Amino acid sequence: AQKITQTQPGMFVQEKEAVTLDCTYDTSDPSYGLFWYKQPSSGEMIFLIYQGSYDQQNATEGRYSLNFQKARKSANLVISASQLGDSAMYFCAMREAGFQKLVFGTGTRLLVSP
Amino acid sequence: KAGVTQTPRYLIKTRGQQVTLSCSPISGHRSVSWYQQTPGQGLQFLFEYFSETQRNKGNFPGRFSGRQFSNSRSEMNVSTLELGDSALYLCASTSQFNTEAFFGQGTRLTVV
Repeated sequence: AQKITQTQPGMFVQEKEAVTLDCTYDTSDPSYGLFWYKQPSSGEMIFLIYQGSYDQQNATEGRYSLNFQKARKSANLVISASQLGDSAMYFCAMREAGFQKLVFGTGTRLLVSP
Repeated sequence: KAGVTQTPRYLIKTRGQQVTLSCSPISGHRSVSWYQQTPGQGLQFLFEYFSETQRNKGNFPGRFSGRQFSNSRSEMNVSTLELGDSALYLCASTSQFNTEAFFGQGTRLTVV
């Protein structure tokens, strides 16, 4: 069965610094996709970045990059140059091939301080 | 390009009542999934629809049901509401190549 583990309940970072949010996953399917979402206090889930299991390069989207280590089954999110608006909950999620169902981790609350 | 639209944003219902939530996906997206988010259980998958057919269902009682229309809009219904159904209900719309899944702003349901 699919499982996503986020071991950091909370993280603190100063503005303009980089931060890494950890995510490990478990699946027996060789084809899968990994997602990161940001959820501000308003509740909306904002799509940040996607990594396919067969993608050769790590995904990047602006200040977000995904450090994908397939052998270790980890998909850490790196946020460079943190901004105050980055303060939110961050969720890692996985989807196996052929399904739309996303399995989510428990989330990491990121607080960016001035 | 409009995003995923969920209505209503907030609902207060009484135990025993039923409720219907609506989700309009991004134009061109044919897959819609629903999730329930609670502080205790986190984000849990409810069901998924593609071209008006339910393709997958999570582990929820039969009081939770849904449907999808020919224009890809989806509704979910919860009958005989219980206090534990209080949650944020999120709808996701998936792109053709399955590399993106966009969520609406959610419907926050409170059962009293």
